Amino acid sequence: QQPVQSPQAVILREGEDAVINCSSSKALYSVHWYRQKHGEAPVFLMILLKGGEQMRHEKISASFNEKKQQSSLYLTASQLSYSGTYFCGTENTTSGTYKYIFGTGTRLKVLA
Amino acid sequence: EAQVTQNPRYLITVTGKKLTVTCSQNMNHEYMSWYRQDPGLGLRQIYYSMNVEVTDKGDVPEGYKVSRKEKRNFPLILESPSPNQTSLYFCASSLSPVGYGYTFGSGTRLTVV
Repeated sequence: QQPVQSPQAVILREGEDAVINCSSSKALYSVHWYRQKHGEAPVFLMILLKGGEQMRHEKISASFNEKKQQSSLYLTASQLSYSGTYFCGTENTTSGTYKYIFGTGTRLKVLA
Repeated sequence: EAQVTQNPRYLITVTGKKLTVTCSQNMNHEYMSWYRQDPGLGLRQIYYSMNVEVTDKGDVPEGYKVSRKEKRNFPLILESPSPNQTSLYFCASSLSPVGYGYTFGSGTRLTVV
């Protein structure tokens, strides 16, 4: 039930663009995106709600396709500081539970 | 400063010796949760709490206990740690389980020998 992210890893040159995808087998109410730098805690980037607009954090934006149960993270003109592992996250609120699960993760490395 | 405070940052212990990892948040968040992070397995939820005295199992609760006696605190208890509980642990909190992002603590790296 863990959302699947693709690609698993990507290497970019500074200034290049990248897209990270997050797919779920379950209906999604919302999708969250986090970035985790090596040795640090994940940091919340943005949330996309069902029926909501595309969100943006600096030069990073994201979209949410409810019908396809997918979200995509777009990193434009990447910077060295974008390096890290990106996770999508979503609620799993079936049967009265309120679990919160993370995707499989995508490692992003930006080279100078 | 709004934050989630976890202690300790690093802990080495022996098999079977009870330990507690503390977690405290100062944002008046309702929802708190514990995760473990292992290479290749990502972040897996251990337990969560909707509010004071309300806790429930996540996906990997075996071998762990939690309590939520006050809104701000959510300690993780390992009554009899085993080597397979060696991991990086994160506490996180959110205003609500639906529609809000998490704030994470800085993590606790636990080694059980």
